[in-house]
Amino acid sequence: SAVISQKPSRDICQRGTSLTIQCQVDSQVTMMFWYRQQPGQSLTLIATANQGSEATYESGFVIDKFPISRPNLTFSTLTVSNMSPEDSSIYLCSVVQGSNYGYTFGSGTRLTVV
Amino acid sequence: GESVGLHLPTLSVQEGDNSIINCAYSNSASDYFIWYKQESGKGPQFIIDIRSNMDKRQGQRVTVLLNKTVKHLSLQIAATQPGDSAVYFCAENIVGSARQLTFGSGTQLTVLP
Repeated sequence: SAVISQKPSRDICQRGTSLTIQCQVDSQVTMMFWYRQQPGQSLTLIATANQGSEATYESGFVIDKFPISRPNLTFSTLTVSNMSPEDSSIYLCSVVQGSNYGYTFGSGTRLTVV
Repeated sequence: GESVGLHLPTLSVQEGDNSIINCAYSNSASDYFIWYKQESGKGPQFIIDIRSNMDKRQGQRVTVLLNKTVKHLSLQIAATQPGDSAVYFCAENIVGSARQLTFGSGTQLTVLP
């Protein structure tokens, strides 16, 4: 299965600022996903990152708040913009490879907004 | 709306006993299910999966059972060990959903010495 490197692993940010999270995969993957996991909660899909086109966002998430880049088949970034304390969460990227339904997750970015 | 949910938020078991974690789903169109283990400070780790054309699948110390009639999924862990302490999530893939996963609410498993 793919190996995912996600950076930073954690950060403490001031409200009103932005943070860009990077997701690097060791192999080319068609589909990449970004999830949010609020404290003590399950995972909620933010968007699907599509290579060569705009990301597809889920209900409740908008591009202005969570801009995503997917410049190639091994890399994606998620930016959390104009942060507020409510954005404090773990952000995770995930990839799926081929037709074997192999979903793999990165180790996550633990974001605290103060 | 339709969702994937878990019956119990917490489960405590004695070391060496078997653990059973349950999950209910409501979308009959779901065709693929995965169990993940998430340890503190880490991302979800794949445990085992099952497709809707099966009702049972076994791995190393783990078994997943799928009952499509009542839309129920369970994870059985044999001879539970301290290292099994974690949060367990079930996830489903819904046909036509562009293959993103929908996660259940999670169960915290604690293994007692």
